[in-house]
Amino acid sequence: AQSVTQPDIHITVSEGASLELRCNYSYGATPYLFWYVQSPGQGLQLLLKYFSGDTLVQGIKGFEAEFKRSQSSFNLRKPSVHWSDAAEYFCAVLLTGSGNTGKLIFGQGTTLQVKP
Amino acid sequence: DVKVTQSSRYLVKRTGEKVFLECVQDMDHENMFWYRQDPGLGLRLIYFSYDVKMKEKGDIPEGYSVSREKKERFSLILESASTNQTSMYLCASRAGVGSPLHFGNGTRLTVT
Repeated sequence: AQSVTQPDIHITVSEGASLELRCNYSYGATPYLFWYVQSPGQGLQLLLKYFSGDTLVQGIKGFEAEFKRSQSSFNLRKPSVHWSDAAEYFCAVLLTGSGNTGKLIFGQGTTLQVKP
Repeated sequence: DVKVTQSSRYLVKRTGEKVFLECVQDMDHENMFWYRQDPGLGLRLIYFSYDVKMKEKGDIPEGYSVSREKKERFSLILESASTNQTSMYLCASRAGVGSPLHFGNGTRLTVT
């Protein structure tokens, strides 16, 4: 069955430190992958997406993600975290194979806390 | 800028009531979604609609139904609300497959 797993429920980093949020997916067809961010009390905002081509994709707010087919992973990274990055982050996979009409399946989310 | 508006930010209903959650988008998007968000479970898809009057069940459709009579509006209906439907409900829309989702700010529903 198709699924998205974010192994880390909660992560705390110091401001200025680097960040990596993990995402693993299970999907037989070509995955189209997304990262979204949700600030407190807000809806979700798209950070970046991967459809094809270069496996390292750049997004907004200085985030990037790398697609690794061999590891079924799409990890999100940022070289230097700012206090305003504290939020909940969601990885998602778009189901595009035969019989799918474009459902988007989300992981459980990772809450990022930033220490001053 | 795309705007997805959910009619209520907070809602309190009693067990057994019929509940309507309304969502309107202003960008002529083809696809609309209803998700439920619970701590530790992420977003779970309840229903989505890929066109007017077209709908498809998501992963957790039990206890819910939907209506999409007009392109801009997608309603989620709890036929007989139960306490286990207390949750945050998020509506989203997109232009088509592969386009990014645009989310509303959510409706926090409490069923007592």
